[in-house]
Amino acid sequence: AQSVTQLDSHVSVSEGTPVLLRCNYSSSYSPSLFWYVQHPNKGLQLLLKYTSAATLVKGINGFEAEFKKSETSFHLTKPSAHMSDAAEYFCVVMVAGGYNKLIFGAGTRLAVHP
Amino acid sequence: DTGVSQDPRHKITKRGQNVTFRCDPISEHNRLYWYRQTLGQGPEFLTYFQNEAQLEKSRLLSDRFSAERPKGSFSTLEIQRTEQGDSAMYLCASSATGGRTEAFFGQGTRLTVV
Repeated sequence: AQSVTQLDSHVSVSEGTPVLLRCNYSSSYSPSLFWYVQHPNKGLQLLLKYTSAATLVKGINGFEAEFKKSETSFHLTKPSAHMSDAAEYFCVVMVAGGYNKLIFGAGTRLAVHP
Repeated sequence: DTGVSQDPRHKITKRGQNVTFRCDPISEHNRLYWYRQTLGQGPEFLTYFQNEAQLEKSRLLSDRFSAERPKGSFSTLEIQRTEQGDSAMYLCASSATGGRTEAFFGQGTRLTVV
């Protein structure tokens, strides 16, 4: 079975400092992995996706993630946090052979302080 | 706006009443998904349509839940005899066929059962 585990339920950073949101995955197959962001009263928005091409994936708004098979990790990073980055972030794995069904982690709430 | 739209955005209902939600996917997408998100959790898969065919249903979808997608366009999700445990955000997503294509989410319908 495939799953993702987000290691931190809450992360708090100061504006201008780096962001690290951690995610480990479990998959018998070569996984497709995604990060989605959810702002209050807004829909889920795709930040970036990994589908077995380059292991370092760049996304929108300066975010990037690195797929590390040896560590079964797909951590999300950003060099410098902005106040507008405050939101809920979800690490997601796509079920192989399952009509592209998505399995979400529990989420990490990112707070950005001035 | 050519994104996924859901109606209504909010619904408050009394326990025991029936409710119906609507989802209009991106027009060229033939895959449609329903997810449910409870407070503090990531979305959980409920059901999947390929065109008008409902191809997968989660065990979360009890007999009180029914979903349809007539003519492979919009979809409805009906909950009969609502219970307080049904209170959640109901999310609809759509995607194109072929490969590991990303899903686009609507803003959701927040259901409160009182």
